[in-house]
Amino acid sequence: SAVISQKPSRDICQRGTSLTIQCQVDSQVTMMFWYRQQPGQSLTLIATANQGSEATYESGFVIDKFPISRPNLTFSTLTVSNMSPEDSSIYLCSVGQGAGYEQYFGPGTRLTVT
Amino acid sequence: DAKTTQPNSMESNEEEPVHLPCNHSTISGTDYIHWYRQLPSQGPEYVIHGLTSNVNNRMASLAIAEDRKSSTLILHRATLRDAAVYYCILTRNQFYFGTGTSLTVIP
Repeated sequence: SAVISQKPSRDICQRGTSLTIQCQVDSQVTMMFWYRQQPGQSLTLIATANQGSEATYESGFVIDKFPISRPNLTFSTLTVSNMSPEDSSIYLCSVGQGAGYEQYFGPGTRLTVT
Repeated sequence: DAKTTQPNSMESNEEEPVHLPCNHSTISGTDYIHWYRQLPSQGPEYVIHGLTSNVNNRMASLAIAEDRKSSTLILHRATLRDAAVYYCILTRNQFYFGTGTSLTVIP
């Protein structure tokens, strides 16, 4: 299993600012993912964070809005840029070794944009 | 990615078995079937996964139809702690969450 921590656990930010969320894993993992969960909704995959290369973004998400870094096999960051109230969500990171393996999730970062 | 269909909600009495169904008629041969659950205010938690054969672990059992077009998550004795949203996911690498089944456990 993998233990995942996220920082911050929650934040309240003003419109137009940016927030960087950190995801730390206690072991080296191949794949890291970032999700968004809006209030009362299911999880939506934002991107796959690849170590040593650009992240792969899902439809509807762009690098300018959600830049991602993956400097090593245990750490990743997601930045939410130029925030608006519509970005108020829980942001979660997860890790896995591929489809044949379980995926582990962090506790999430609750973001409120005012 | 192939789509899954789950009932929006289900109820179960405490200490009784629960069968949570999932339809995935467009599954491909390389898709794994994963189940996760999400308790209120927590991140999703891995439950079980399989490819073709039925699987058992300490949390649950996964029954996969012979044609793989459906599967059933079985909780052998529901407890109040099992009240959660259960997600059935098909994956080759990325995990795409549907709306899941909200399970209510009645004391």
